[in-house]
Amino acid sequence: NAGVTQTPKFQVLKTGQSMTLQCAQDMNHNSMYWYRQDPGMGLRLIYYSASEGTTDKGEVPNGYNVSRLNKREFSLRLESAAPSQTSVYFCASEARGIYGYTFGSGTRLTVV
Amino acid sequence: AQKVTQAQTEISVVEKEDVTLDCVYETRDTTYYLFWYKQPPSGELVFLIRRNSFDEQNEISGRYSWNFQKSTSSFNFTITASQVVDSAVYFCALNLDSNYQLIWGAGTKLIIKP
Repeated sequence: NAGVTQTPKFQVLKTGQSMTLQCAQDMNHNSMYWYRQDPGMGLRLIYYSASEGTTDKGEVPNGYNVSRLNKREFSLRLESAAPSQTSVYFCASEARGIYGYTFGSGTRLTVV
Repeated sequence: AQKVTQAQTEISVVEKEDVTLDCVYETRDTTYYLFWYKQPPSGELVFLIRRNSFDEQNEISGRYSWNFQKSTSSFNFTITASQVVDSAVYFCALNLDSNYQLIWGAGTKLIIKP
């Protein structure tokens, strides 16, 4: 099925561990995004990539890095996980100006 | 500064009642887009509607309708004859043409009781 695929769906990390969240879209969208959602809140933008080869910081970039590997893939890396990064992470893609954002199913990350 | 306010934290109604979810936004930009998303208990985010700032025409899609009023900076969402499957958290969001960020409201949790 066409859409945005995120892996893994669940992850538990110990403080200080690193990991990479993977995201891929098959809709040929130029723009891709990483958001986090904390309980009782809307989503907050971590990083985005307007097009292949570019990345920019969003509202809450500290503690994260991203890589736009190609047009399809946009990964999010936590170099040294902290409990404050416990959240649900959503990847999204968009054909800018044409339609709404399409979101992946989310990754529930717990840092202990 | 841009902001989206969903003042209703939680709404509970009995099935078949009509319900309106409020969304008020703030921006000084003239070109922007407004969205509604549904997040059911399973957690995924489901796109419902996108509206640009130059199109104030109301929209109806089945039991769903949206009322966009620039004069009051509101983009309200009405569900007619609600069903239990409509139970979810609903988010309103704002995107500026000059910016890639989606600005989200805090969401309204809608509970439809059988």
